Amino acid sequence: QKEVEQNSGPLSVPEGAIASLNCTYSDRVSQSFFWYRQYSGKSPELIMSIYSNGDKEDGRFTAQLNKASQYVSLLIRDSQPSDSATYLCAVNYAGGTSYGKLTFGQGTILTVHP
Amino acid sequence: ETGVTQSPTHLIKTRGQQVTLRCSSQSGHNTVSWYQQALGQGPQFIFQYYREEENGRGNFPPRFSGLQFPNYSSELNVNALELDDSALYLCASSPQGQGPYEQYFGPGTRLTVT
Repeated sequence: QKEVEQNSGPLSVPEGAIASLNCTYSDRVSQSFFWYRQYSGKSPELIMSIYSNGDKEDGRFTAQLNKASQYVSLLIRDSQPSDSATYLCAVNYAGGTSYGKLTFGQGTILTVHP
Repeated sequence: ETGVTQSPTHLIKTRGQQVTLRCSSQSGHNTVSWYQQALGQGPQFIFQYYREEENGRGNFPPRFSGLQFPNYSSELNVNALELDDSALYLCASSPQGQGPYEQYFGPGTRLTVT
């Protein structure tokens, strides 16, 4: 079983719609959860971080965390063609020798079409 | 504020050779992590450096080694290059000790091994 799994893509949504990206993780001691956006040929860019159960909103982005279900999601409202990218879910596991290690999912490719 | 920088941008090496990649952390950040990202995959954690010491390591062989310098910059060294080492190498910095260990990536070095 993969440690971090993301919903298989690619995901295609029309401009103005809500894009929903999902991620599950296997280790219950996970502490911190991140969403990165990666444009083709570029490096990952941090867009959201969440540490507590519930929702966290930042502009058009909302991250949702449910630790009991080991589930984290990212909603993008009013999707724009510029949101077209690969979205990476990353999880930070607490403790051990890899204290700052981020474990990434395989990414979900999002395409927003006009 | 200066972001994370990496050099070189691109590199072509021959199997069996050695390579050194460099990273300068973001201003105010004292922790550097290195990741390998193969095409179509999420980044894989190689190791992390904090206060010039290795602070965790992923599932990479010993021919992957690193250094961190007093100014928090870092190097990734790979010996005896293999074809499978062809990937995007990412450096990320974070302000250790302040949590939640948000990591910010540099632009990456694209390594091609022929």
